[in-house]
Amino acid sequence: GESVGLHLPTLSVQEGDNSIINCAYSNSASDYFIWYKQESGKGPQFIIDIRSNMDKRQGQRVTVLLNKTVKHLSLQIAATQPGDSAVYFCAAIIYNFNKFYFGSGTKLNVKP
Amino acid sequence: DTAVSQTPKYLVTQMGNDKSIKCEQNLGHDTMYWYKQDSKKFLKIMFSYNNKELIINETVPNRFSPKSPDKAHLNLHINSLELGDSAVYFCASSPLSTSYEQYFGPGTRLTVT
Repeated sequence: GESVGLHLPTLSVQEGDNSIINCAYSNSASDYFIWYKQESGKGPQFIIDIRSNMDKRQGQRVTVLLNKTVKHLSLQIAATQPGDSAVYFCAAIIYNFNKFYFGSGTKLNVKP
Repeated sequence: DTAVSQTPKYLVTQMGNDKSIKCEQNLGHDTMYWYKQDSKKFLKIMFSYNNKELIINETVPNRFSPKSPDKAHLNLHINSLELGDSAVYFCASSPLSTSYEQYFGPGTRLTVT
C-alpha cells in the first residue's frame, strides 16, 4: 500500500515570506509526484510535478524538492502572496501501474 | 468557455436512491477521471477513462458505474446511495493517459440523507 502524509495540517506565513510545505510517502515504488493547490470551493489545480529521476524542479515562484532516500517531498513558494492561501496536496504515483496516492492536505494561510 | 464542467453542483438525495453526475471537458483531452473527496479533504481516485476505455478502476463499490459516451464526457452513476457516499466528487481530464497534468472540474457536492 501507500500512505502519503503532510507534516503540518495548517501553515501560517506572513505575506512576502517563503513557505515550505512538506510531504512524506511510504512506497519506494512511487516514481512521479505532483503538487496541487485547492482554493475554497474549487477543484484542485495542478502546480508542479517531478519525476523520481530528479531531485529538484522549479516553476514560477515554486520549487519542488524530492529526497528519495527518506521518501520526502517539499513544495517551496517564494514571496508568498494572499492569493496563495489554499490547501496544498501532494500526490505520489506509481507511473506504470496508474496508482495514485494523495495526502490529506496542508492549509496555507497567508497573513497580510 | 469552461474547461471541465460538472452538473449538478449540488445534489441532495435520500438513501437508496439512484443518481448521476455528469462531466464534460472541451479541452480535447483523451483521458478523464473521477475523484472522491471526503469531509477531511482526503482525495481518492475512483476511475479513469482513456478514449472511452476504462484504464483505472480503483476499489470502489460496484454501485458506482462510470460511463463514457465519447471522449469529452464521463458520467458517474451511483445506485442505492448510502450515507457514506456523501462527499465532493471531482471530474478531471488530462491530455494523455501518460500525462498527469490534470484539469479539475468545480466539483459536485453530494449529500445523502
